[in-house]
Amino acid sequence: EPEVTQTPSHQVTQMGQEVILRCVPISNHLYFYWYRQILGQKVEFLVSFYNNEISEKSEIFDDQFSVERPDGSNFTLKIRSTKLEDSAMYFCASGITLSEKLFFGSGTQLSVL
Amino acid sequence: GDSVTQMEGPVTLSEEAFLTINCTYTATGYPSLFWYVQYPGEGLQLLLKATKADDKGSNKGFEATYRKETTSFHLEKGSVQVSDSAVYFCALRPSGSARQLTFGSGTQLTVLP
Repeated sequence: EPEVTQTPSHQVTQMGQEVILRCVPISNHLYFYWYRQILGQKVEFLVSFYNNEISEKSEIFDDQFSVERPDGSNFTLKIRSTKLEDSAMYFCASGITLSEKLFFGSGTQLSVL
Repeated sequence: GDSVTQMEGPVTLSEEAFLTINCTYTATGYPSLFWYVQYPGEGLQLLLKATKADDKGSNKGFEATYRKETTSFHLEKGSVQVSDSAVYFCALRPSGSARQLTFGSGTQLTVLP
């Protein structure tokens, strides 16, 4: 079965550094998402992306965050200047249409020191 | 706003025991309801869903019934197996919308042989 691939599985960075989390969605999917889960808390929506633009974002997704689909296969989440509170598991997801079924990657655990 | 409240974990059961994981929600209208499962080292996978009141979602021996009157979508399985050990997430998507999922905090299930 096709799957969403995320790299790296673990990322450790210093506060204030930029990080880029990478995702390869399923090839024929058109809708892309980032979610995150801070340890012990709920999985939270960050942003959705369609037709090369952001279609919706949450209040968490401030100016420090950006997303990009640079080459038609990768989907990246950039955090420009990481904060301690950005430490979380970040999940990428994709879907063929705006139907209910999303396919999730296994996540990138980001640790900001 | 919309929210999902899940039974606190972790839950530890013996093989062949009966499982219930409680989930209640707050939302306007008739949201679609979902259970996602995350096995160790993998992404979130859709386990089952229900899109209207009194619908029963089922998959792999798991069931959940959409109860509008109690705003609940409890997950049940009659006889759990060691391979069911995972984290289970209840989620909703607002009615008439293709917006993002709102997740509960997840419930860790461990099944002992």
